[in-house]
Amino acid sequence: AQSVAQPEDQVNVAEGNPLTVKCTYSVSGNPYLFWYVQYPNRGLQFLLKYITGDNLVKGSYGFEAEFNKSQTSFHLKKPSALVSDSALYFCAVRVNNAGNMLTFGGGTRLMVKP
Amino acid sequence: ETGVTQSPTHLIKTRGQQVTLRCSSQSGHNTVSWYQQALGQGPQFIFQYYREEENGRGNFPPRFSGLQFPNYSSELNVNALELDDSALYLCASSLDSFYGYTFGSGTRLTVV
Repeated sequence: AQSVAQPEDQVNVAEGNPLTVKCTYSVSGNPYLFWYVQYPNRGLQFLLKYITGDNLVKGSYGFEAEFNKSQTSFHLKKPSALVSDSALYFCAVRVNNAGNMLTFGGGTRLMVKP
Repeated sequence: ETGVTQSPTHLIKTRGQQVTLRCSSQSGHNTVSWYQQALGQGPQFIFQYYREEENGRGNFPPRFSGLQFPNYSSELNVNALELDDSALYLCASSLDSFYGYTFGSGTRLTVV
């Protein structure tokens, strides 16, 4: 079975500082990894994905994530946080030929303070 | 290019009733998935349809059922509603489920 862990319920960061939202996964097979962001009363917005290739993935709104196979991690990062980045962030994993489903972590609330 | 649209946006039902939620996939997408997101939790996979056939199902009872139509729009039906079915129901479409999934804004279902 596949699983995703987001160890921090909330991350607080000051505007302009770098941010990291942590994600670790457990799969048997090659993972496809995703990050989504959710604003209040909205659906999920796609940020970035790792399928194969370069371990550093760049996505929307200046976000990036680094795939680390040995640590089974896919942490989301941004060099300089904005107040508008405040939202709920979800990491998700999918294993090819394993039911086609995305398995999500429990989410991390990012609070960026001015 | 249109995104994924879901209707209705909000719904209140009584325990024991039945409900149908609707989803229009993004243009060109042939795969649709449904997820349940309870308050304060991550989305949970319900099932997926590919070209009108169910090709994946999560740990949900048979009273959760679905359809995908030739135009790739989709319905989620829930029978015998329970209080714990109160959640945000998200529809996601993709092309062959390989690329990123595009999510709709969801339907907020409240069961009283």
